[in-house]
Amino acid sequence: EVQLVESGGGLIQPGGSLRLSCAASGFTVSSNYMSWVRQAPGKGLEWVSVIYSGGSTYYADSVKGRFTISRDNSKNTLYLQMNSLRAEDTAVYYCARAAPYDSSGYALDYWGQGTLVTVSS
Amino acid sequence: QSVLTQPPSVSGAPGQRVTISCTGSSSNIGAGYDVHWYQQLPGTAPKLLIYGNSNRPSGVPDRFSGSKSGTSASLAITGLQAEDEADYYCQSYDSSLSVNWVFGGGTKLTVL
Repeated sequence: EVQLVESGGGLIQPGGSLRLSCAASGFTVSSNYMSWVRQAPGKGLEWVSVIYSGGSTYYADSVKGRFTISRDNSKNTLYLQMNSLRAEDTAVYYCARAAPYDSSGYALDYWGQGTLVTVSS
Repeated sequence: QSVLTQPPSVSGAPGQRVTISCTGSSSNIGAGYDVHWYQQLPGTAPKLLIYGNSNRPSGVPDRFSGSKSGTSASLAITGLQAEDEADYYCQSYDSSLSVNWVFGGGTKLTVL
């Protein structure tokens, strides 16, 4: 059974750093595209970052230069290192697997339960 | 302001049919990129509802269907049920931005 379990969220002051983890089971993280999506309180979904199976990484403009997506193959875990945090980064952060459904298309087929990050002094 | 535009809310009575639109542009839906739909029940994580414009994952009732035409896509729900009350999001890919993956702003479905 595919499972994604996020951890690492919490209350952090502006300018601080936090690392989110997403432990996967039932599949191999390194063989898949993996993504982070966030949702500010009462707002919609916002794509944050993706890491491809080959290792390429991409970021939303709002987090570029501050966030880093990575994975630990030995732990089958996805990470999101968040630096220089701002109040507007306050959100529930979800990790999700992007699975291929044809030769070029990917959809987010499994999601974790999310972890809340609150940036406030 | 989301790259993909959805109506903020739609509503319908039990048993009725509702549709939710997702309007993009020539750099995303109009460029031929597929659209996916997600359902988010209150207090839960999003769930994949439709992928590749019109395909349902295993376990999704056939009351849910998707379509795409030009720069827009639609999600249709027939035989509306109380448990369908949720937020619905469309998602695609955009070639003009560094963001790559884009979501619609979301639509709140209320079952009257």
